[in-house]
Amino acid sequence: GQNIDQPTEMTATEGAIVQINCTYQTSGFNGLFWYQQHAGEAPTFLSYNVLDGLEEKGRFSSFLSRSKGYSYLLLKELQMKDSASYLCAARDSNYQLIWGAGTKLIIKP
Amino acid sequence: DVKVTQSSRYLVKRTGEKVFLECVQDMDHENMFWYRQDPGLGLRLIYFSYDVKMKEKGDIPEGYSVSREKKERFSLILESASTNQTSMYLCASTGGTGMFGQYFGPGTRLLVL
Repeated sequence: GQNIDQPTEMTATEGAIVQINCTYQTSGFNGLFWYQQHAGEAPTFLSYNVLDGLEEKGRFSSFLSRSKGYSYLLLKELQMKDSASYLCAARDSNYQLIWGAGTKLIIKP
Repeated sequence: DVKVTQSSRYLVKRTGEKVFLECVQDMDHENMFWYRQDPGLGLRLIYFSYDVKMKEKGDIPEGYSVSREKKERFSLILESASTNQTSMYLCASTGGTGMFGQYFGPGTRLLVL
């Protein structure tokens, strides 16, 4: 079956660094997406990885290892506004997205 | 900027009512999706469409139907609303290779009493 696993909740301190992990099992693979979702709002696109390695975009970076079925989202210099849920989604051979349940990130001052 | 709009942010309906949720996108995207999102669960795909008048069942199509008469508009219909359909409904669209992911509307929070 197809499955995405990510931690339910994480807590970090303002100004620190946090890494949110995601493991996936899909029928075929056509990319890994990370989205941010603030409470009561729609998900917004953060990053896309299809090749192994690290993609950096400002304070946010995303890493992919296809052989391990593993990705992480790295958030640096955390700000209070980064408090949100972070959704991992893998695209399968039919180009459908398989979604994780999301990781709720709590930032403390 | 891609804009995806949904007809209502909040809806309250009674059991047995027919419910229409509408979604409109302004970027000429071929693909449109309807999801529901419940606490502790990932986004679950209800239906999707890759062209006008085309529709495909997602993971949880039971109790729902869809309509895509125009490229920009994708409607979700609850034929006879039930309390277990209380949820957040999210519409999304994507075009081309989809490498920029799906663009989501603001969501409709539906309460069925």
